[in-house]
Amino acid sequence: DQQVKQNSPSLSVQEGRISILNCDYTNSMFDYFLWYKKYPAEGPTFLISISSIKDKNEDGRFTVFLNKSAKHLSLHIVPSQPGDSAVYFCAASGAGNTPLVFGKGTRLSVIA
Amino acid sequence: KAGVTQTPRYLIKTRGQQVTLSCSPISGHRSVSWYQQTPGQGLQFLFEYFSETQRNKGNFPGRFSGRQFSNSRSEMNVSTLELGDSALYLCASSLAKPGPDTQYFGPGTRLTVL
Repeated sequence: DQQVKQNSPSLSVQEGRISILNCDYTNSMFDYFLWYKKYPAEGPTFLISISSIKDKNEDGRFTVFLNKSAKHLSLHIVPSQPGDSAVYFCAASGAGNTPLVFGKGTRLSVIA
Repeated sequence: KAGVTQTPRYLIKTRGQQVTLSCSPISGHRSVSWYQQTPGQGLQFLFEYFSETQRNKGNFPGRFSGRQFSNSRSEMNVSTLELGDSALYLCASSLAKPGPDTQYFGPGTRLTVL
């Protein structure tokens, strides 16, 4: 039973355009959400996070949107660059010391 | 500040052997979590240690175990290796502060079981 789902295994975007990566969750107890980026043979790198008291968080080219009623979050990358090509993981955790639950990832390819 | 380090980076073992992986967290981080990544399964949580105590455990068999030392460094051990244990093992550390807590990952140890 997947509590965090990334329904698009892959996404291709042209350089300079917007990349939108989506994530859905089922557990209403989740209150903290994170996005990680991963290159092959490396560990995931933390990108951006959002807590459930917000609906948007922005950091440079990266913006995360949270829609609690729909149990949906998305990561926007604007403008997309070839170096953004990687696998992006969405993760969620509940209150207290609960473990992170990860989606299976979306492979983003930014084409020059 | 140095990041999370993991040793060794690559390891080849045969079925039935046992293996120990090591993780040094970011200085000041008190929580260490371990994950297994396999193709198609994403990152699966193994266990988390805080103040030398296992605080959370994922759904893995007892062949997978870990420990944490007083300096927050952690090791995980896999006994009686099986072919299906071939994976990237990732360690992540966090401050373990109250409220939202971000985990930072090491580069991983690639384990191949032959």
